[in-house]
This record gives sequence, C-alpha cells and structure tokens, in this order.
Amino acid sequence: RKEVEQDPGPFNVPEGATVAFNCTYSNSASQSFFWYRQDCRKEPKLLMSVYSSGNEDGRFTAQLNRASQYISLLIRDSKLSDSATYLCVVRYDSGTYKYIFGTGTRLKVLA
Amino acid sequence: NAGVTQTPKFQVLKTGQSMTLQCAQDMNHNSMYWYRQDPGMGLRLIYYSASEGTTDKGEVPNGYNVSRLNKREFSLRLESAAPSQTSVYFCASSQGGNQPQHFGDGTRLSIL
Repeated sequence: RKEVEQDPGPFNVPEGATVAFNCTYSNSASQSFFWYRQDCRKEPKLLMSVYSSGNEDGRFTAQLNRASQYISLLIRDSKLSDSATYLCVVRYDSGTYKYIFGTGTRLKVLA
Repeated sequence: NAGVTQTPKFQVLKTGQSMTLQCAQDMNHNSMYWYRQDPGMGLRLIYYSASEGTTDKGEVPNGYNVSRLNKREFSLRLESAAPSQTSVYFCASSQGGNQPQHFGDGTRLSIL
C-alpha cells in the first residue's frame, strides 16, 4: 500500500461546480498536511496547509480526519483556471524531514 | 522574490556525460531537497539536506551525488548520465517543523 494515495482522476466538471478530492495516508504518525497544485509538469505550488480544525481560503476548503487518516480538498464555484493536478503531501514528525507526495488528482474544468 | 532558483532550465546530455544541477534559495531555509518527476510516478525524493553540513539519501539516490555548499545552495551531480535519468528535476526548500516546501521551477533533463 502506498503511504499517500489519491484517486488519479481525471475529474471532469463544468464551470461553477463544486468538486471534492480525498487523500488517504497510511502512517498515523503523520503531523503536517498540505495541498499543492501542479500545472502541466511545472513546479508544484503550495495551495494550502491543512490544519486540524479545517481551514478555508476563498473557494478552497481543506479538512483533516485523523481518525480515518484522510484529508480532503473542496473547490467551490470551479473556474477554468482551476484545471490542474492537485497533490496531497504528508510530512511525518520522525525527524527525517521527509515529505511524502501522492501522485496527484487531475481536475479538468469544462466551459 | 526569487525563492528557489534552479539552473539550468533545460539540458541535453549524451550517455556517460556528467553534469551538476544547481539550486539556490534566498528564504534562509534550513532544509533542501532534490526530487525527480516522471510521468505517472509522482515526485520521488533523490536526496535531501536537513541542515547545512548534512545530506541523506531519499528513495532513488543511485546514480546521483549531492553537495550542500552552504545554507543557500544544494547541488545535484550526475557522474555518468544514463537514459533512465531523463526526467524533470525539482529542488525544494523548507524551514522544517510544520512548514511547507517551496519549489524551484525545475530542470528538464534529457539523456540520449
């Protein structure tokens, strides 16, 4: 089993739709969680950190469920410009400073 | 706001040639990382440096060496390039703790 798993998609949604992605992680010692966005093999860019109480940034909402070991990303009112691959990242507090990346979920927002 | 700067952006090598990929960050971060990304494989960690003066292997270190030259700079060297090392290489840095990583814009490397 992969340490961090994501549905690769693609998720094809119309403009204005709400879409949600989940990401599961296997190590309960995971401490820090992030969502990144990556466009067409450009560098990953931080979208948002995920906090225990959940957090929102404009149209984006991130949630953490430690009991079930998953994080989620909700995008409301999808824009064409949201089309990208969304990467889930988990960092373990093991002193190794490693970040574990999922392989990403591809989103296509259709006009 | 340079952030993480990688050079070169593109490179074509012949099998057996050597080269060094350069990475520098201006955010005073302690930790730096080298990843490669291949289609369908996601990001894979090659080497990382938790702090100046230390380096450690990631999941795919074979065929690579690194140098943490100072706090700002972390270079990746291919001693004898092989076609299997054709990839996009990303450098990243972070402050550590619960802070995220920040990425450079990558080096596209082709080995013929």
